Amino acid sequence: DAKTTQPTSMDCAEGRAANLPCNHSTISGNEYVYWYRQIHSQGPQYIIHGLKNNETNEMASLIITEDRKSSTLILPHATLRDTAVYYCIVKGRNTDKLIFGTGTRLQVFP
Amino acid sequence: DGGITQSPKYLFRKEGQNVTLSCEQNLNHDAMYWYRQDPGQGLRLIYYSQIVNDFQKGDIAEGYSVSREKKESFPLTVTSAQKNPTAFYLCASRLDRADYGYTFGSGTRLTVV
Repeated sequence: DAKTTQPTSMDCAEGRAANLPCNHSTISGNEYVYWYRQIHSQGPQYIIHGLKNNETNEMASLIITEDRKSSTLILPHATLRDTAVYYCIVKGRNTDKLIFGTGTRLQVFP
Repeated sequence: DGGITQSPKYLFRKEGQNVTLSCEQNLNHDAMYWYRQDPGQGLRLIYYSQIVNDFQKGDIAEGYSVSREKKESFPLTVTSAQKNPTAFYLCASRLDRADYGYTFGSGTRLTVV
């Protein structure tokens, strides 16, 4: 079973920041938080991952709370092409399986 | 360019027939995975393979079979024993266990009529 809880759907205006929350209250010390997104009828795309420090790359920022029980993915300036289902996944770095939940459907509108 | 190729993109089969979905990667990745996705659902793991000639069952392996005779290829056979085979099938790979980024193919949509 997925070890994360995400809202089913969210809306965001184009050009604004999209903040996608994720709860992972049972995360263990060696487990990372990964974010992927899936645009309709395509394969998921890796976005970012982190352990306990906040992370930023060219696509997004990941903010992890100090107790690591929740995190937020931030798309700083959402575009229409960011409309997708976003998956928050908790996984040990050296474990084999990537377990997907149902994700958050982000709709970016003009 | 390196990547994962799944073929065909759309596949139609009659009920009771076995069908094999192709997955090829030229990334020199060790591990390969097969996932199934139903409408409005997340991905569920069918089978995975860490090295050639070895593979493990995922969460929903019943009715499916795989082989890993070559590093770059991981075909999935949907057998007649799979009770509800109509779905979107995704193949993925990653370099090794320390690799955080899984690379996914573009998927095969299988419809059984």
